[in-house]
Amino acid sequence: QVQLQQSGAELVKPGTSVKLSCKASGYTFTSNHMNWIKQTTGQGLEWIGIINPGSGGTSYNVKFKGKATLTVDKSSSTAFMQLSSLTPEDSAVYYCARRIPFGVGFDYWGQGVMVTVSS
Amino acid sequence: EIVLTQSPTTTAASPGEKVTITCLASSSVSNMYWYQQKSGASPKLLIYSTSSLASGVPDRFSGSGSGTSYSLTINTMEAEDAATYYCQQWSSNPLTFGSGTKLEIK
Repeated sequence: QVQLQQSGAELVKPGTSVKLSCKASGYTFTSNHMNWIKQTTGQGLEWIGIINPGSGGTSYNVKFKGKATLTVDKSSSTAFMQLSSLTPEDSAVYYCARRIPFGVGFDYWGQGVMVTVSS
Repeated sequence: EIVLTQSPTTTAASPGEKVTITCLASSSVSNMYWYQQKSGASPKLLIYSTSSLASGVPDRFSGSGSGTSYSLTINTMEAEDAATYYCQQWSSNPLTFGSGTKLEIK
């Protein structure tokens, strides 16, 4: 069965970076684009960007350009998102989500990872 | 950026009652997607391409709409349907979500 297993919760200091992971299993990793989504109580769900695991090609929400960097490791079927220059506004739950092959929705989501930015 | 406005923001329904959630787009979109999120869980895809039921989703859920107005309907409310529902579009960048509709059971 398809699973997206995300790394554990992070408590990080302002100004630093964090790299989140999302390990895919149960399907061919390069067959579906992977997305990252931010969820906060105040802003709701925000799409960060998408990566094609086959080519490494990416597309970002302009709001997150310079903040997020998406990469993959095909050998381990893992997608990564690095968040840089962290501020308290980056505190949120971050999800990875697989794009459906027949549209632009997301059929499988990781369990989410809580990132807390605090000194 | 296309803004998706959901209504109502919160609502409650009795078991067996019909529920309709609306999603209005600030510009025309070609398709809408709907998700259900229960407390502490990840969102779950309910409807794709406006009206197609995702795998495993009960057929009491349905979607419809076009242009700037879309809706999600639950034909007969069940206790397990208590959750927050989100619409989503990607007809133009960036992909955006609605702000959510919280549905409670009476």
